[in-house]
Amino acid sequence: GENVEQHPSTLSVQEGDSAVIKCTYSDSASNYFPWYKQELGKGPQLIIDIRSNVGEKKDQRIAVTLNKTAKHFSLHITETQPEDSAVYFCAASMNDYKLSFGAGTTVTVRA
Amino acid sequence: ETGVTQTPRHLVMGMTNKKSLKCEQHLGHNAMYWYKQSAKKPLELMFVYSLEERVENNSVPSRFSPECPNSSHLFLHLHTLQPEDSALYLCASSQFLASYEQYFGPGTRLTVT
Repeated sequence: GENVEQHPSTLSVQEGDSAVIKCTYSDSASNYFPWYKQELGKGPQLIIDIRSNVGEKKDQRIAVTLNKTAKHFSLHITETQPEDSAVYFCAASMNDYKLSFGAGTTVTVRA
Repeated sequence: ETGVTQTPRHLVMGMTNKKSLKCEQHLGHNAMYWYKQSAKKPLELMFVYSLEERVENNSVPSRFSPECPNSSHLFLHLHTLQPEDSALYLCASSQFLASYEQYFGPGTRLTVT
C-alpha cells in the first residue's frame, strides 16, 4: 500500500516567518494530496489540497507544491501567526476515499 | 464546528468492559469513517460505510464492532479491549464515497486500563 513520510516532526518558527513541511509518497498512482490541520482538542480539518494534474495551488497564506516525478509535495505557510500553531498532516490517495496519512508535524509559532 | 459530533469525548474503560462510541453527522453526507489516532503515528483507517453498507474493514480486530443504522449515525462498539487500544478515535464523513473531502469530528479519547 501507499507509504507517506512527513518531515520534520516538529517545527518552531518566529511569528512572521515562513514554515515549510515536506512529504514523500511511494506509489506513483496517487493522485490526490490533501493537507489537514489539527488544533488541540479538535479533529483534523482540511486546509488545502492538490491533485496530480496541478503543480502548485495557493490560498491566501498557504500554498502546496507537488513534484510528481520526485513523488513529494510540500506545504508552505507564509507570514506565520500564533493561530497557525497546530499539528499538520499530509495525506495521499490513489482512489476516492482511502487516505494514507503522514505522522504529522507539530508547528509552534513563537510570538 | 465541522458538523460531525462525537460522544463521549473522553472514555476510560477496563479490559472487561463493553462500551460504545457514537458519531453523528449533520451534513447530509452518505459516507462515514472510523479512524484510530495514536501518538506520533499516522491516522489509521478502520472502517468505511457508504449508504449504511460497510465497504472497508481494514484488518481491525473483532473486539471493535462498527454499526451504521442510518447515513447520519455511526457507532463503534468496544469489548475486551487491550491497553494498546488506548488512542483518539475519530469519526469522519464525506458527501459520497467518491468525495475526497472528509470532515472530521473532535474524536473520543479512549483509555483502556
